[in-house]
Amino acid sequence: QKEVEQNSGPLSVPEGAIASLNCTYSDRGSQSFFWYRQYSGKSPELIMSIYSNGDKEDGRFTAQLNKASQYVSLLIRDSQPSDSATYLCAVENQGGKLIFGQGTELSVKP
Amino acid sequence: SQTIHQWPATLVQPVGSPLSLECTVEGTSNPNLYWYRQAAGRGLQLLFYSVGIGQISSEVPQNLSASRPQDRQFILSSKKLLLSDSGFYLCAWSTLGGGNTGELFFGEGSRLTVL
Repeated sequence: QKEVEQNSGPLSVPEGAIASLNCTYSDRGSQSFFWYRQYSGKSPELIMSIYSNGDKEDGRFTAQLNKASQYVSLLIRDSQPSDSATYLCAVENQGGKLIFGQGTELSVKP
Repeated sequence: SQTIHQWPATLVQPVGSPLSLECTVEGTSNPNLYWYRQAAGRGLQLLFYSVGIGQISSEVPQNLSASRPQDRQFILSSKKLLLSDSGFYLCAWSTLGGGNTGELFFGEGSRLTVL
C-alpha cells in the first residue's frame, strides 16, 4: 500500500462546477496535511494546510480531513480554467517526513 | 518576505558528467532545506534534507550528494550522472522545528535531462 494515494485522473469538470479531489494515507499517526497545486512545468505551490478533523475554507477552496478514515479531500468551488493543474496531496508522517501522493490532474473546461 | 531561488533552470548533460545544482533562500534564518526529485509522471521523492550547516540526511541511496556550506545555501551534486538521474529537481525550505517538515515552499525547479 502506498503511503499517500490519489487518483491520477485526469478529472474533468465544466467551468463553474465543484471539483472534488481525494487522498488517502496509511500512517494513522499523521497529524499534518497539505494540498499543493502544480501547473505544468512549474514547481508545486502550497494552497491549503489542515491539521484538525473537519473542514477548512479559504476562498473557493475547502480542505476536509477525516483522521478516523485516513482521508483528506480538497473541494474547489466555482472551478475556473485557471484551476487546471495537478493537485498534490502531502501528508507529514510520524517521522516528520512529508510524503507526497502522485497527484491528480484537474482539467476545467470552459 | 522569504524567497527561494535555484539554478540552473534547465540543463542537458551527458551520462557520466558531473552535476551541480544550487539553491539559496532569502528572508529567513536557519531554515530546513530539502532536495526533491520528480520523475516524469511520478510523485515527489525526497532526496536530502538539512536542518543546519553541514548537517545532511540522505533519504535514498544513489549517486547524488548534497552539501550545505552556508545557512541559506543548499547544493546538490553528482560526480557521474546516470540516465536515471533525469528529472525535475526541486529545492524547498521550511521553518518548522522538532524534526517535522510543516509547510514546504519550493523553488522554481531545475529540469535535468541526461543523455
